[in-house]
Amino acid sequence: QVQLQESGPGLVKPSETLSLTCAVSGFSINNGYYWGWIRQPPGKGLEWIGSVYNTGSTYYSPSLKSRVTISVDTSKNQFSLKLSSVTAADTAVYYCARGNSIDHWGQGTLVTVSS
Amino acid sequence: EIVMTQSPATLSVSPGERATLSCRASQSVAINLAWYQQKPGQAPRLFIYGASTRATGIPARFSGSASGTEFTLTISSLQSEDFAVYYCQQYSNWPLTFGGGTKVEIK
Repeated sequence: QVQLQESGPGLVKPSETLSLTCAVSGFSINNGYYWGWIRQPPGKGLEWIGSVYNTGSTYYSPSLKSRVTISVDTSKNQFSLKLSSVTAADTAVYYCARGNSIDHWGQGTLVTVSS
Repeated sequence: EIVMTQSPATLSVSPGERATLSCRASQSVAINLAWYQQKPGQAPRLFIYGASTRATGIPARFSGSASGTEFTLTISSLQSEDFAVYYCQQYSNWPLTFGGGTKVEIK
């Protein structure tokens, strides 16, 4: 079955860059779908960050576009998120996910921005 | 950007009763609309896609419908496991956008 697993630091200092990776198993990224990142601040709703295709084509949230880079590594069957110049407002559970109607989600990883 | 507006924010329903959740898109998304259920501490789960198609393993008591830019998720007879937060999401246009969610709580 398809599984997604986020990994990366749980604590990031303000002004630094948040970096997360999503390892995909049970399905080859080369076989299609957009692969995306969604976040959820504590007690709040879902916010789409951006998505990448296996060709490297990307779409980003307009509100985050200046700070976000999403990339794909098909040889490792994984994709990654980088969010620069983070502030406390970027504290959230970060999910990686498959598809535009999202049929598979990672379990989520809490990233806290604090000094 | 397409804005998705969900109502009500909270819905108090007794077990066995019917629940009707609404979602409105600021412009046409055709039927490119999904519903997700999220329980505390868990990732969201896809329940409905294509506005009315149930995802794998979703019980028949859940149904989705569409009328123009208005979408509805109906739970015909609420079970204890259905109390959760439900989000709608459009995937017609980039950026993908979510509604603010409806919390279905026990009355």
